[in-house]
Amino acid sequence: GAGVSQSPSNKVTEKGKDVELRCDPISGHTALYWYRQSLGQGLEFLIYFQGNSAPDKSGLPSDRFSAERTGGSVSTLTIQRTQQEDSAVYLCASRQGRVGDYEQYFGPGTRLTVT
Amino acid sequence: LAKTTQPISMDSYEGQEVNITCSHNNIATNDYITWYQQFPSQGPRFIIQGYKTKVTNEVASLFIPADRKSSTLSLPRVSLSDTAVYYCLVALYNQGGKLIFGQGTELSVKP
Repeated sequence: GAGVSQSPSNKVTEKGKDVELRCDPISGHTALYWYRQSLGQGLEFLIYFQGNSAPDKSGLPSDRFSAERTGGSVSTLTIQRTQQEDSAVYLCASRQGRVGDYEQYFGPGTRLTVT
Repeated sequence: LAKTTQPISMDSYEGQEVNITCSHNNIATNDYITWYQQFPSQGPRFIIQGYKTKVTNEVASLFIPADRKSSTLSLPRVSLSDTAVYYCLVALYNQGGKLIFGQGTELSVKP
């Protein structure tokens, strides 16, 4: 079946511009997560959605980062006034949300380059 | 938070069994232990999860002692294609199954 998809796959932007990254989770998955991975680094948690609510935004690096989820499905991560340190691969994952089932399905990621 | 500690790297040869041990001393009562595999330029892929004792699926086994402060991922008869980074992660029950990634173990399988 269809997995998690993300768009765009690559994004090059100039410093100071805003960018939007999109995640389409697996249908029926209630939990959605955003992570980012900088070059040669491990994954860093950004935000978690349960349905359309974001009970955990603790990983967002600054107020330039925001995310929303609509209809319990698609999620958008927005980075305002991008900086070079925002360059990374942004990964989205979804999970069914059942207690005891913690398998997260990751998308292919969006590679963001800020010049 | 349940921080995990695992070896930074391991080497093995094709056909051998590989065991990667991870410690998670601060794991909470309802948290689960999960392992993921990541290849370069790809998102992580779930391998296995467990709560206690032993879990086995078609690709790996997971051994968890009674105190749950550690776990061991066992990969039987590895091949070159198993060369990847392996992450031991605690899925935080009280935080929606959130995963906190460490550096992982870089497994290199040689012919």
